[in-house]
Amino acid sequence: KQEVTQIPAALSVPEGENLVLNCSFTDSAIYNLQWFRQDPGKGLTSLLLIQSSQREQTSGRLNASLDKSSGRSTLYIAASQPGDSATYLCAVSGGNQFYFGTGTSLTVIP
Amino acid sequence: GAVVSQHPSRVICKSGTSVKIECRSLDFQATTMFWYRQFPKQSLMLMATSNEGSKATYEQGVEKDKFLINHASLTLSTLTVTSAHPEDSSFYICSASNVDSNTGELFFGEGSRLTVL
Repeated sequence: KQEVTQIPAALSVPEGENLVLNCSFTDSAIYNLQWFRQDPGKGLTSLLLIQSSQREQTSGRLNASLDKSSGRSTLYIAASQPGDSATYLCAVSGGNQFYFGTGTSLTVIP
Repeated sequence: GAVVSQHPSRVICKSGTSVKIECRSLDFQATTMFWYRQFPKQSLMLMATSNEGSKATYEQGVEKDKFLINHASLTLSTLTVTSAHPEDSSFYICSASNVDSNTGELFFGEGSRLTVL
């Protein structure tokens, strides 16, 4: 069974810093990998989707990379802002199954 | 991106009553929708996979008679928590992917906070 791990579980950085969130998975046979953001008491907002044939995706200050062979993905956030404070989750899909990591809780300090 | 709407966003009910939560894909069709439960400060726990026109597939440990799922159309799935008890209090979230898209991208509803008194 696919297992998804996110490190660190929590991260606190000063505003303006660049940061990297990590996601690792045990089975490299994935269909795609998706990064989400969740604000407290809210649903999940899709940030970036990387299909299995892709290496990275970019949206604004966010860049996500995928290395299937090593079972890793990173989410890079440039010039962090207090509004980026949230929990970030990665999910990998294999067919019709989606497996979620436990999330990284990010706090950006003004 | 595609929009998934959940209703109600919050519900408070008495123990023993049943509560229905709706999940709608507003601008796309979804043959499959997923229902999750989330406890405070924890990740999502998949409860069941809802398939349009057929019975839902429940994860191990999830009581199908307790959590009734109906997926009657390509845009609507409902979760009914029957005879709710305080331990059923939780945050319930649904998700769906666009049947016409080959990316498999998953879109989530806003979640429904259930409190059982």
